[in-house]
Amino acid sequence: NAGVTQTPKFRVLKTGQSMTLLCAQDMNHEYMYWYRQDPGMGLRLIHYSVGEGTTAKGEVPDGYNVSRLKKQNFLLGLESAAPSQTSVYFCASSYSGGLATIYEQYFGPGTRLTVT
Amino acid sequence: TQLLEQSPQFLSIQEGENLTVYCNSSSVFSSLQWYRQEPGEGPVLLVTVVTGGEVKKLKRLTFQFGDARKDSSLHITAAQPGDTGLYLCAGAHTGNQFYFGTGTSLTVIP
Repeated sequence: NAGVTQTPKFRVLKTGQSMTLLCAQDMNHEYMYWYRQDPGMGLRLIHYSVGEGTTAKGEVPDGYNVSRLKKQNFLLGLESAAPSQTSVYFCASSYSGGLATIYEQYFGPGTRLTVT
Repeated sequence: TQLLEQSPQFLSIQEGENLTVYCNSSSVFSSLQWYRQEPGEGPVLLVTVVTGGEVKKLKRLTFQFGDARKDSSLHITAAQPGDTGLYLCAGAHTGNQFYFGTGTSLTVIP
């Protein structure tokens, strides 16, 4: 199994450009997440999804949109990139666990985005 | 505003020394996890604690969840260079949304 994969690994954008980050998981997980990681701030949740066709806002959703058309894929879009969106973006997935309430997240390798 | 504050932010120690990393919050969490992240990779789960006062051991790593479920600590005994990395705590109020701490960057010098 590949686990969680992210494309691309690196990207440089100019202010105002748009792009889509793709996350794919082959573990049949229900939940998927997008985080951004900035120095000294840990990871902050942007958006998440609890199932195909559903999405919800996290801590820092402004400037981002997401879609979950297929269970295995979770897309993160930036419509008009800004320098403040320079960051490392991580996708994660987790199982629902049935009656369990503890969710282990499996992370992808990250996408390093620079907006100039 | 960070829900979870970790201390210290940076830690550099000699191989064989012991260390403790703290994760503190004013919020109560239903569960708390510790992850380790190496450069260029995503975080990897080390442990999950769910009961106030719970202590879990993973070889040389000891994790404790505070009695009030607001804080946690990670203690490493006889640190090795392979322990080098970024340690992150993450708390959940419900099952599917986690708040990550600010991170502790550990360097173990051979």
